[in-house]
Order: sequence, then structure tokens, then C-alpha cells
Amino acid sequence: SQQGEEDPQALSIQEGENATMNCSYKTSINNLQWYRQNSGRGLVHLILIRSNEREKHSGRLRVTLDTSKKSSSLLITASRAADTASYFCATDARNSGGYQKVTFGTGTKLQVIP
Amino acid sequence: DTGVSQDPRHKITKRGQNVTFRCDPISEHNRLYWYRQTLGQGPEFLTYFQNEAQLEKSRLLSDRFSAERPKGSFSTLEIQRTEQGDSAMYLCASSHTETSGSRVDEQFFGPGTRLTVL
Repeated sequence: SQQGEEDPQALSIQEGENATMNCSYKTSINNLQWYRQNSGRGLVHLILIRSNEREKHSGRLRVTLDTSKKSSSLLITASRAADTASYFCATDARNSGGYQKVTFGTGTKLQVIP
Repeated sequence: DTGVSQDPRHKITKRGQNVTFRCDPISEHNRLYWYRQTLGQGPEFLTYFQNEAQLEKSRLLSDRFSAERPKGSFSTLEIQRTEQGDSAMYLCASSHTETSGSRVDEQFFGPGTRLTVL
């Protein structure tokens, strides 16, 4: 089952606007990661935020994590047509056996219109 | 290029045939993961290794699926008696983690192997 649920499922914006995607999850996590995937391609890692962190920045990307609400957001500022892709959050936790468990969400499909 | 590589990139097979995929992780990474992704969905975890030890397998991984990482470097994923429902993109990823497993770093993904079962 998918632990992470991204919202919205699809987002269409004009180039230059900001895009915000949200991810909600259900269990305690060690870290949360955001990935980008262009159609038919592999996933590209964007940002990892650990459970004891609240905000991280990388270039035009800003990620927040609220462990009390079990949610994260990814903000892309000043979007470009090249940002058009699907964006996934992935939670990294431990299962009942103590092993690593990585669960991806359903993704947000972002379209940036030139 | 020192990223994660996968071979083949595409595989078309007939139902009932066996297929094997290979993944070469980033050389210094001790963890290796296999995922399956179908159209419009996020990747679903299948299994992962720390060095040569297979630590966890998803319930999605039926008895027809087997994965190995014999020397703690490259890994193979074999699907026996393929079914049409096995058609998907199979993704491999690798990461570095401390021996205790207390800190796991980000995963780097390969380009995937797209399997089509006719």
C-alpha cells in the first residue's frame, strides 16, 4: 500500500509561477525524500529531509516537514518548462522487524506552461 | 558515468518465459533496492540488500521472483514463468548507510528496465 499521498494529483501552472505539492503519510519516519521523474525515465533525487529537520532548501526547491501533522511540502519557485515532470515523496521508516521500509506516494504530475 | 546502471533497458517476452535483469549500483554504496512501477503509480518496494545480504522482501515478491547480490556489488532480479501482470518498469536504486543502519542516505536510481509480457 502507498503510505504517502501527494496532493494535488495534477498541477498546471504558468512559467515563472511557484508550484507547491504536499505529501501526507501515516507512520513515524526516519526521513522523507522528494524525487522527480520525467515521463518514462528513472527517478532523480531532489531533497532528503530528516525527521529532526523542519525545512531544507536546494536552489529553487524548498521542503518543509511537520512530523506532528505527518506531512511535507515541496515548493518550486520561479518554475520553468523544464520542471514539467511527476514528483514523488518517499518515506523512509523501519518496519516491525526493524528493517528499512521505503514507501513512495502516488505522485503529483506538474505541467509548467511556457 | 558512475551512476546506477541497469541492463537491459527494455525486455519483451512471451508469457511463461523467464527473464533476468541486472543492476550495477554506485560502487561505494552498500545498499541496493529493487522497485516495480506501473503506469501512473509510484514505485513499489520489492526487496533490498545490505552488501550481499537480502534483508527484506515485500509481499509483492511472489515465489516466481528471486533477487541476488552475490558479491555485494551488482544484483540480478529474475522472474520465472512471467505473467502479463508482471509488465512494468523495474527500477534499481542504491544508497549508502552506516553499518548500524541508523542513518540512511538518499537513494540514487537507475534508468529502469521496462518489461513487456505478451
